[in-house]
Amino acid sequence: QKEVEQDPGPLSVPEGAIVSLNCTYSNSAFQYFMWYRQYSRKGPELLMYTYSSGNKEDGRFTAQVDKSSKYISLFIRDSQPSDSATYLCAMSSGGGGSNYKLTFGKGTLLTVNP
Amino acid sequence: GAGVSQSPSNKVTEKGKDVELRCDPISGHTALYWYRQSLGQGLEFLIYFQGNSAPDKSGLPSDRFSAERTGGSVSTLTIQRTQQEDSAVYLCASSPTASGNTIYFGEGSWLTVV
Repeated sequence: QKEVEQDPGPLSVPEGAIVSLNCTYSNSAFQYFMWYRQYSRKGPELLMYTYSSGNKEDGRFTAQVDKSSKYISLFIRDSQPSDSATYLCAMSSGGGGSNYKLTFGKGTLLTVNP
Repeated sequence: GAGVSQSPSNKVTEKGKDVELRCDPISGHTALYWYRQSLGQGLEFLIYFQGNSAPDKSGLPSDRFSAERTGGSVSTLTIQRTQQEDSAVYLCASSPTASGNTIYFGEGSWLTVV
């Protein structure tokens, strides 16, 4: 079992739809949870991060973490064609140790159709 | 500069040749990382620098791979005797401290070994 599982998609939605992207993980030591957006032939761009369980909202984006289920989600409201990209979840452990080392999902390719 | 800068952006090299990839982190970021993104493999951690020291080299795939950082700033990733399986995008990232929730990536160096 991989440490982080992410459905690769592809996911195709109409403009204005609510998009749900998800990852599951197996390492209970993970405490920081990040979402990155990666456009074609570009580097990953940090969208949001959440520490431990809970929700975090930033504009049209909401990140949720459920540590009891080892499940994280990113919701995109009122999706736009400019949201078309690959979305990567990433995680790291807290405290000293290897907090800096990110473990990534393989990414979900999202297309928002006008 | 405003972001992490990497060069070259694209490199095609013959099998057996050595290559050097350069990274210029965000000014003031003490932590620097190299990741590799291969088709179908997602992003994999290679090495972490704090200042000029590399306390974690655990992700380097073989002794053909090495990296250094000078002046607490620019880093070079060197791949000796390149193999076709080295073809990938090599991403550099930096953060103000060694914390997984504030890591910012460059655009990557796209390496093709023929």
